[in-house]
Amino acid sequence: KNEVEQSPQNLTAQEGEFITINCSYSVGISALHWLQQHPGGGIVSLFMLSSGKKKHGRLIATINIQEKHSSLHITASHPRDSAVYICAVPDMDSNYQLIWGAGTKLIIKP
Amino acid sequence: KAGVTQTPRYLIKTRGQQVTLSCSPISGHRSVSWYQQTPGQGLQFLFEYFSETQRNKGNFPGRFSGRQFSNSRSEMNVSTLELGDSALYLCASSPLGSGSSWHEQFFGPGTRLTVL
Repeated sequence: KNEVEQSPQNLTAQEGEFITINCSYSVGISALHWLQQHPGGGIVSLFMLSSGKKKHGRLIATINIQEKHSSLHITASHPRDSAVYICAVPDMDSNYQLIWGAGTKLIIKP
Repeated sequence: KAGVTQTPRYLIKTRGQQVTLSCSPISGHRSVSWYQQTPGQGLQFLFEYFSETQRNKGNFPGRFSGRQFSNSRSEMNVSTLELGDSALYLCASSPLGSGSSWHEQFFGPGTRLTVL
């Protein structure tokens, strides 16, 4: 069983749509990371959060520690948002080694 | 401030050879982590170095090794290459070590290794 599960695996939407990507985890954590990987391979850290909600531009990340669940939302999606979105959690039982989700491949069509 | 740099960006090797990849972290960052990314497996943690010491190690065979220098630059080495080692190898730097992994990691562009 994967300790970090993301859904959906693939998501195709039209420009302007509201996007939600989910991440569930089974290990105890202190924080959760959301990262973005573009087709060229570069990875950019989007958010690191341990409670509540964070917002950066059109991106919003929420986390519910009790339910062990986090969501990444994109408002007014744009083709340049097309990328793989990955969540990762530090495993407190393994010296905070990051455990990675498999990623959600998002395609936004114009 | 310059970002994380990795060299080379692309590499083609044949089975049985060995390879060394290099990562230069952001100035002032003392932690460097290495990851392997393959289409089927996603990101897999290889190891983390902090102040020249290996702090964490993933589940990879002994053919995969690394080191960190006093200037925080890190190298990883893969000996006796196998076809399955073909992957994108990413390194990430962070100001602090894995004991504080809730700090942001900054990723390099990766080295794409192809083993023929």
